[in-house]
Amino acid sequence: QVHLKESGPRLVKPSETLSLTCTVSGDSIGSYFWSWIRQPAGLGLQWIGHISITGKTRYNPSLKSRLTMSIDSSKNQFSLNLTSAAAADTAVYYCARQPYDALDFWGQGTPVIVSS
Amino acid sequence: SYELTQPPSVSVYPGQTANITCSGDTLEIKYVCWYQQKPGQSPVLVINQDYKRPSGIPERFSGSNSGNTATLTISGPQALDEADYYCQAWDLVTVVFGGGTRLTVL
Repeated sequence: QVHLKESGPRLVKPSETLSLTCTVSGDSIGSYFWSWIRQPAGLGLQWIGHISITGKTRYNPSLKSRLTMSIDSSKNQFSLNLTSAAAADTAVYYCARQPYDALDFWGQGTPVIVSS
Repeated sequence: SYELTQPPSVSVYPGQTANITCSGDTLEIKYVCWYQQKPGQSPVLVINQDYKRPSGIPERFSGSNSGNTATLTISGPQALDEADYYCQAWDLVTVVFGGGTRLTVL
């Protein structure tokens, strides 16, 4: 069974960088795409972007200017950096596996609050 | 940017059939997935590639996609099916979610 787990600071100050890591077990990160999704409280899902083992990335156009994703095959992890964090970035952040068109395994999610 | 539109809410009695729609421009040329999300939990994939059920998803869940509308059908919904449902499509560039539909089983 594939498991994903998000980790990172739960409180980020405005204008600082929001950084999260997703650790994958039960599957090699060398396969598929690996996505980040977020969900503000009481609202819907927003796809942030994804990365493959080759480092190929696709980002949500609305976040592209602030977003960087990376992947570490030796640790079976992938990461997210979102610069210039603002209150609008407060959300539960999920990582997920994306074999093709769907997101078939999700992490439990981690809440991140952007506040001073 | 591509958009998917869902009704905010759908209500159904246990003996009926629940149909949750997802609309988008020429949606039929894309694969549509559906997710179920219960409060405080991560989304769960219930339909993949328009109509395929992942392992462990009950047969009462089915999907279709034609024209500009994809539909998630729950036949004989149960109380445990009360949740938010999201459609999702991928245009080979970005992943797009619908706004979500709250299903209430009366």
